Amino acid sequence: QVQLQESGPGLVKPSQTLSLTCTVSGGSISSGNYYWSWIRQPAGKGLEWVGRISTSGITYYNPSLKSRVTITLNTSKNQFSLNLNSVTAGDTAVYFCAREYGWFDPWGQGTLVTVSS
Amino acid sequence: QSVLTQPPSASGTPGQRVTISCSGSSSNIGSHTVNWHQQLPGAAPKLLIYSNNQRPSGVPDRFSGSKSGTSASLAISGLQSEDEAAYYCATWDGSLNSWVFGGGTKLTVL
Repeated sequence: QVQLQESGPGLVKPSQTLSLTCTVSGGSISSGNYYWSWIRQPAGKGLEWVGRISTSGITYYNPSLKSRVTITLNTSKNQFSLNLNSVTAGDTAVYFCAREYGWFDPWGQGTLVTVSS
Repeated sequence: QSVLTQPPSASGTPGQRVTISCSGSSSNIGSHTVNWHQQLPGAAPKLLIYSNNQRPSGVPDRFSGSKSGTSASLAISGLQSEDEAAYYCATWDGSLNSWVFGGGTKLTVL
């Protein structure tokens, strides 16, 4: 079955760019009518959708983050990535990647990113 | 403040039936199907209900979902201690062009 795994730096300085990668295993990222999403969760708080990319590269972003977010697809590596620029402490969260087909399933285990100097 | 409104907490005793509500608007729940996710402590969310009332393979039939108008509900019958978790509703919002989540409901099994 398809599995997702997030990777990237756990600590990012304020004003810099947060970069994460999600590696998909057990299936091709470019097959099927799926979207590939990023979702985040600050400690002790709820879930917030960050954005998604389709297998054809079409992106949608959360309007509240749109000016700072870029999601890209790397089909040769079966990965998709998140870049969030100009980060502040408010971007500190566990970041999850997930496959979307009208619902999010499966999810990665999540990776904690802390924004601090 | 979340676009979808859930009660922050719910509780029940083993064997009881508990329901969790999720309230939205015409641009989200009123126009799109609702999904529910279960998040056990320290774990990633897991899909529990999709398309309002469908259970993925492996999810016990103790869990059921429903939707009416601009609200949705998750019902858990025969409550078990392992059901203690946070539950989130989610749907697409056509006005925001964005997925939206409820704030989450923390279920305690007494």
